[in-house]
Amino acid sequence: KQEVTQIPAALSVPEGENLVLNCSFTDSAIYNLQWFRQDPGKGLTSLLLIQSSQREQTSGRLNASLDKSSGRSTLYIAASQPGDSATYLCAVGGAGSYQLTFGKGTKLSVIP
Amino acid sequence: DGGITQSPKYLFRKEGQNVTLSCEQNLNHDAMYWYRQDPGQGLRLIYYSQIVNDFQKGDIAEGYSVSREKKESFPLTVTSAQKNPTAFYLCASSITQGLYGYTFGSGTRLTVV
Repeated sequence: KQEVTQIPAALSVPEGENLVLNCSFTDSAIYNLQWFRQDPGKGLTSLLLIQSSQREQTSGRLNASLDKSSGRSTLYIAASQPGDSATYLCAVGGAGSYQLTFGKGTKLSVIP
Repeated sequence: DGGITQSPKYLFRKEGQNVTLSCEQNLNHDAMYWYRQDPGQGLRLIYYSQIVNDFQKGDIAEGYSVSREKKESFPLTVTSAQKNPTAFYLCASSITQGLYGYTFGSGTRLTVV
């Protein structure tokens, strides 16, 4: 059964810093991997989707990488801003499966 | 704008009651899902549906029921058999098997009173 782990569980950084959030998964037979953002009491907003054949995706200040063989993905946030404060969730789509497996998330606080 | 609409935003249930959470999408997606989110835990799949009039149990289906009579709609009923229903419920949709990722609604917070 797929397991997804996100480290660290919480992270606090000063504004302007570059930072990396980590996601690891146990089964490399994945379809794709998606990073989401969740604000308190809100739904999930999709940030980046990486297909299993891709190595990375970029959107603005965000860059997500995927190393399927080692079971790892990273989300890089450049020049962090207080508005980036949220919980970031990593979710893995299994090959041949409709099910997404989620990590427990990393709660990011960007201090002005 | 295309998206997923969940209603209500907040819902209160008395002991022994059944309640139904609404989920509607206008994205023309084939598949729809219900997830439950509890503090300190990852999202867990309750039910999913690949096509109209068909659905499958997820990891925590006990005490829940669903229907899929229309492509756009996938309501979730939390029955009295669900012993700990207080949670945040999220509905999602995707083109078949999430080829282009998943889209989520804004959620319904259910509280037992």
